[in-house]
Amino acid sequence: DTGVSQDPRHKITKRGQNVTFRCDPISEHNRLYWYRQTLGQGPEFLTYFQNEAQLEKSRLLSDRFSAERPKGSFSTLEIQRTEQGDSAMYLCASSLLTGGRDRETQYFGPGTRLLVL
Amino acid sequence: AQKITQTQPGMFVQEKEAVTLDCTYDTSDPSYGLFWYKQPSSGEMIFLIYQGSYDQQNATEGRYSLNFQKARKSANLVISASQLGDSAMYFCAMRETGSSNTGKLIFGQGTTLQVKP
Repeated sequence: DTGVSQDPRHKITKRGQNVTFRCDPISEHNRLYWYRQTLGQGPEFLTYFQNEAQLEKSRLLSDRFSAERPKGSFSTLEIQRTEQGDSAMYLCASSLLTGGRDRETQYFGPGTRLLVL
Repeated sequence: AQKITQTQPGMFVQEKEAVTLDCTYDTSDPSYGLFWYKQPSSGEMIFLIYQGSYDQQNATEGRYSLNFQKARKSANLVISASQLGDSAMYFCAMRETGSSNTGKLIFGQGTTLQVKP
């Protein structure tokens, strides 16, 4: 059973460029989450999907951010016109939502570290 | 508004001793779940333990136990018999599961634990 994978693990880009990150969840997990974590802080929620539907977006997710999960499998997070403030770790997590919603546990990937110069 | 507070930025513990990491939370939802995650320097968030708001007993998972005091809104993590590999950042997180169907986790600021040989 493979865990959540993310690609790339590291990304360095120049301000103004577009970047795209990919997340492959644990197979058969129907929920997929994106979080952002800056140095010394806890992760902050960005958005999540249940199957292919994007159910919630944080106010942190500006117009420059877009996320997709075609066919309810892998997900991509794109940042357009990157800014230095976008430098952070982007974490993906997946979970299996069953009838017992209380006990839904999110399993995280290794993250993508983004540095915007 | 929901909030998680971890008041210990850093903790030291001697190898083989027990340590308690503090977590207090604030929510108006009577139904919620509390989680602890470990984040080593590699960056991946590792799920440790879960406690539901209606659980009658404190959760335990191997060397990890959760001291859940509902009236005080605290959910402290106890690690017994500390090992050098326990050195990491530890995050407390909460998800409200009552009126909303959101799956998002709200994280605290984290506590850095260092285990001394």
